[in-house]
Amino acid sequence: DGGITQSPKYLFRKEGQNVTLSCEQNLNHDAMYWYRQDPGQGLRLIYYSQIVNDFQKGDIAEGYSVSREKKESFPLTVTSAQKNPTAFYLCASSTPGPNYEQYFGPGTRLTVT
Amino acid sequence: GENVEQHPSTLSVQEGDSAVIKCTYSDSASNYFPWYKQELGKRPQLIIDIRSNVGEKKDQRIAVTLNKTAKHFSLHITETQPEDSAVYFCAASPGYQKVTFGIGTKLQVIP
Repeated sequence: DGGITQSPKYLFRKEGQNVTLSCEQNLNHDAMYWYRQDPGQGLRLIYYSQIVNDFQKGDIAEGYSVSREKKESFPLTVTSAQKNPTAFYLCASSTPGPNYEQYFGPGTRLTVT
Repeated sequence: GENVEQHPSTLSVQEGDSAVIKCTYSDSASNYFPWYKQELGKRPQLIIDIRSNVGEKKDQRIAVTLNKTAKHFSLHITETQPEDSAVYFCAASPGYQKVTFGIGTKLQVIP
């Protein structure tokens, strides 16, 4: 299960608080991704980064922010502007082209009350 | 942007029978179609993939077919076993490292 790690596994926060989810990889992959997984909705892309100091919005970026200061790290901040933050969050990194196989972390389950 | 539709959302089969999961995509620029398996409580893992210049690919009991004209692709699992029970996701990518996933199919193999 090594290669890409996420911490913590479970996270609880009060509504109105920002929270940052950690994602680290030692696979030397350039590209990294954040997905949100909800029952019946598959994996929805929040943000992705193809290279250090660069990132793009995915399909559901509102209420989230990211940074990519190091190749190994791609933290995700869930802000108080995200209306339904309770979900399972998966980080991934991918091999160089042309197939971009994605390697997923174990995920963080965030509960906001 | 790309839209990937996947069905059925749930599928139950008897052990030893075949299972088929179908997906359609909207972006004709998509040229890479991976399938991921997610066992309960675990992370998704790639099980097979196909590129648009290939019509079919097999790996032991699993196979994927692609009809680029109709923009649909399918996963076929033969001789299903209880350990095949999981959620399966199809996906499509035009390259540029962006991948769009389907909603997933929960497969249950009944012993």
